[in-house]
Amino acid sequence: DTGVSQDPRHKITKRGQNVTFRCDPISEHNRLYWYRQTLGQGPEFLTYFQNEAQLEKSRLLSDRFSAERPKGSFSTLEIQRTEQGDSAMYLCASSLGRGNSYEQYFGPGTRLTVT
Amino acid sequence: SQQGEEDPQALSIQEGENATMNCSYKTSINNLQWYRQNSGRGLVHLILIRSNEREKHSGRLRVTLDTSKKSSSLLITASRAADTASYFCATVEIGGYQKVTFGTGTKLQVIP
Repeated sequence: DTGVSQDPRHKITKRGQNVTFRCDPISEHNRLYWYRQTLGQGPEFLTYFQNEAQLEKSRLLSDRFSAERPKGSFSTLEIQRTEQGDSAMYLCASSLGRGNSYEQYFGPGTRLTVT
Repeated sequence: SQQGEEDPQALSIQEGENATMNCSYKTSINNLQWYRQNSGRGLVHLILIRSNEREKHSGRLRVTLDTSKKSSSLLITASRAADTASYFCATVEIGGYQKVTFGTGTKLQVIP
C-alpha cells in the first residue's frame, strides 16, 4: 500500500486557464475527500465522495469547480477559468468507510499558483 | 469555514518540556480528531476521541474532551525536536456525512 497519491505536486497556471488535479486513494478506501488549504490556515472542506457518489459539497465549491470519482476509484478536481484567489494547496484524503472509521489519510497535496 | 479554533496560535518550548494545545468548537460532534502537519510528512492523523469519551492516551499524547464546554486539549509529554509541526483539531459533526472540519492550528516549535 503506497498511501494516497496526488498528481501533479505543483501547478503554475495563468489566470483564466483550466486545471485538473488527480487523486488516487488507498485502494480499499471507499470515502474520498478534497480540501483546500491556504498559508497559515487549516484545511477547508470542499467535497466528499462515498464510492462514486458525491454526497456533500461546500459553499466554497463555486460553479467553476467540479469533482468526479468515476467507478469509485481515483478522483479528479477541475477548476475552470482560474483566478488568483484559487492559489492554494489542494489536499485529497481517503478513509475506510466502514463502521465508525473516521481516520483520514492525506496525500501530499497539489500546490496551485495562479499568476 | 473553520469549526475549531486552537489556542495558542504558536508555542515555543525546550526539548523535554510538555506542550499543551487547546481547541474550541461550535457544534455538536460525533468525534474530535487531532492531526499534525509538517513539511516532511504532510498531514497525519494522531488520535481520535469520541463524544462519549473524556480522555484518551496514545504514546506521549493525551487528549481530553469536554463536550459541555465544546473544548478539547492535546498534551504532548517529553517533547522532541521532531514534534515541531502545526497541530490541528478537526471535528466530525453529528449527521455530517463524516465531513471533517479543521481548526486554525497551533504552530509548535520544540527547541533542541
